[in-house]
Amino acid sequence: GAVVSQHPSWVICKSGTSVKIECRSLDFQATTMFWYRQFPKQSLMLMATSNEGSKATYEQGVEKDKFLINHASLTLSTLTVTSAHPEDSSFYICSARPRDAPGDTQYFGPGTRLTVL
Amino acid sequence: AQSVTQLDSHVSVSEGTPVLLRCNYSSSYSPSLFWYVQHPNKGLQLLLKYTSAATLVKGINGFEAEFKKSETSFHLTKPSAHMSDAAEYFCVVSDLNSGNTPLVFGKGTRLSVIA
Repeated sequence: GAVVSQHPSWVICKSGTSVKIECRSLDFQATTMFWYRQFPKQSLMLMATSNEGSKATYEQGVEKDKFLINHASLTLSTLTVTSAHPEDSSFYICSARPRDAPGDTQYFGPGTRLTVL
Repeated sequence: AQSVTQLDSHVSVSEGTPVLLRCNYSSSYSPSLFWYVQHPNKGLQLLLKYTSAATLVKGINGFEAEFKKSETSFHLTKPSAHMSDAAEYFCVVSDLNSGNTPLVFGKGTRLSVIA
C-alpha cells in the first residue's frame, strides 16, 4: 500500500517550453502533497506544499509563477515548469500524505528527471 | 529551526561488515527523526522512524538507529552489510509542534558495499 507514482520518469525539453509533471497517490487519498527538488549529489529541498482544493504554499525563494502547482483532486497533483531554462534541470520528487495520517508521514514518488536543453 | 547534519558524504564498507552512518540533529522541540534510503531511479523508502516511544528503533532490512538526546545524534547501523544496501541514505527531522510538519533532509550519505 501507500504507493505514489510520478509521470513522466524523465523528460527532455527545449529551453522556453513548459513541462508538466504528474504525481498520483495510487491507493490512498492524499490531502497534502509536497514537491521537492534534488540537485546532483545534494539533498531534497522542499519547493512547495499543496493541499487539495487550495493554493499551494511555496518555500522562500521558489518562484510560484515559474513552478505552477495544481492539486485538483485527492489523488493527483501536478507541477508545471513554465518557460523552462537549463538551470531548471533537476530531479523533481513529490510526496503525499494520506488523509488522517500523522503530520510527518509522507510517501515519496520515484522522481522525475528534467533536462532542459 | 530544525536541521540535520550527516557527518559523512560517502561511506564504503565490505560486504558482511558493520555499517555506521552518522547523523546529528538540531531541533527546538521534540523531534521526529527518520532515516530514508534512495536507490537509483527509485523513490525514497522509509527505513525507520523515531517518535520518542523508544530510543532504539528497529527498521526494515536489518537497520536500526539509536536516539541519543545528550549527543543529539541518531546514527544508523546494521550489523552486516549486503550488496543490496548500496544506496543513498538520508537522515530527516521533523518538528512535531509545527503545523504542517515539514521534513528537513540532511545532505545524504552514499553507502558503497564492496564484494
